[in-house]
Amino acid sequence: EPEVTQTPSHQVTQMGQEVILRCVPISNHLYFYWYRQILGQKVEFLVSFYNNEISEKSEIFDDQFSVERPDGSNFTLKIRSTKLEDSAMYFCASSDSQPSTEQYFGPGTRLTVT
Amino acid sequence: AQSVAQPEDQVNVAEGNPLTVKCTYSVSGNPYLFWYVQYPNRGLQFLLKYITGDNLVKGSYGFEAEFNKSQTSFHLKKPSALVSDSALYFCAVRDVGNTPLVFGKGTRLSVIA
Repeated sequence: EPEVTQTPSHQVTQMGQEVILRCVPISNHLYFYWYRQILGQKVEFLVSFYNNEISEKSEIFDDQFSVERPDGSNFTLKIRSTKLEDSAMYFCASSDSQPSTEQYFGPGTRLTVT
Repeated sequence: AQSVAQPEDQVNVAEGNPLTVKCTYSVSGNPYLFWYVQYPNRGLQFLLKYITGDNLVKGSYGFEAEFNKSQTSFHLKKPSALVSDSALYFCAVRDVGNTPLVFGKGTRLSVIA
């Protein structure tokens, strides 16, 4: 069964450093998403991406964040200058259409900012 | 704005007994409703969804959920719980034409042998 993959599984970085989280969505999917889950809190939407552009973003997704689909398979989330409060589990998801189709989630990247 | 409430942080049930994990929602239009499960160190796995049609929807691993429009609820159920069902369960909603899923805070299900 096809699945969403994410690398790395765990990333530790110092405050102010840039990080790039990588995702490989399911190959025939067209919509891509990033969510995050701060420890003990609910899963929160960050951004959605379709047809090589951002289709929607939340207020969390400020100028420090960017997304890119650099080739036909990868989907990346970049945090330009990390803050302590960026520490969270980041989930990538993809779906083949919207809005009724379920989103398939990757295993997540745990980001720890020290 | 859409919202989801999962009123219970933790549900404990004995193996073999029926289980219910509660979810209520608020949307401006017709809802698309989803249940996901998260096992330790794993991503969110899709269980089932309600889009339209029968109010009782069946999903993976013997789970089912009942959509109740008047009570704005979408409770997750299983007739006979297994120890392996122990996990964190998330209810989510999206509005028609809207992209992001809005999640509840999750309910931890513990099935005791």
